[in-house]
Amino acid sequence: DAGVTQSPTHLIKTRGQQVTLRCSPKSGHDTVSWYQQALGQGPQFIFQYYEEEERQRGNFPDRFSGHQFPNYSSELNVNALLLGDSALYLCASSPGTRFYEQFFGPGTRLTVL
Amino acid sequence: EDQVTQSPEALRLQEGESSSLNCSYTVSGLRGLFWYRQDPGKGPEFLFTLYSAGEEKEKERLKATLTKKESFLHITAPKPEDSATYLCAVRNSSGGYNKLIFGAGTRLAVHP
Repeated sequence: DAGVTQSPTHLIKTRGQQVTLRCSPKSGHDTVSWYQQALGQGPQFIFQYYEEEERQRGNFPDRFSGHQFPNYSSELNVNALLLGDSALYLCASSPGTRFYEQFFGPGTRLTVL
Repeated sequence: EDQVTQSPEALRLQEGESSSLNCSYTVSGLRGLFWYRQDPGKGPEFLFTLYSAGEEKEKERLKATLTKKESFLHITAPKPEDSATYLCAVRNSSGGYNKLIFGAGTRLAVHP
């Protein structure tokens, strides 16, 4: 079992650019949640996808958007990048019936210059 | 507003020196409290889930307990490999039932 995988591992962008991060859930999981973790802080919930729809959203602006594909993989898109978007972006997957049992991927480290 | 506060922010222990980490929470309708371990540059690794006051869970040198207002993660005779950041999270039942609310974590360093 490969677990939750994320790509890329690291990414460097400049202010105003757009970025797409990718996540493949653990085998048997159909729900994907995205979190932002700033240095020295706990993860902050961005949104969750189930059955290719955004089920719930945290307090993040519309610059943050996502998508879930029929194979349950997911993308996180961030437009008009700000310096404050620099963080570790974590993907967590869970089975639809037990969506609170979240398994995390290794994260994508985004640096905005 | 739902809130999770962890203390201390950082803890330095000698190998074999037992201690406890605290997680206090304010949440409307607790539907689970979770402990995770996070190593530098990696995603959180699930440790325990607690659902009701008085519940306890154990795994090797770690034991988690839950009261109505807080949870403790007890570390008995820690080893250097226990060094990590320990995160506490709660799942609430109001509005978004799928959301985990995390604390900022406790950075634990165990020295030989």
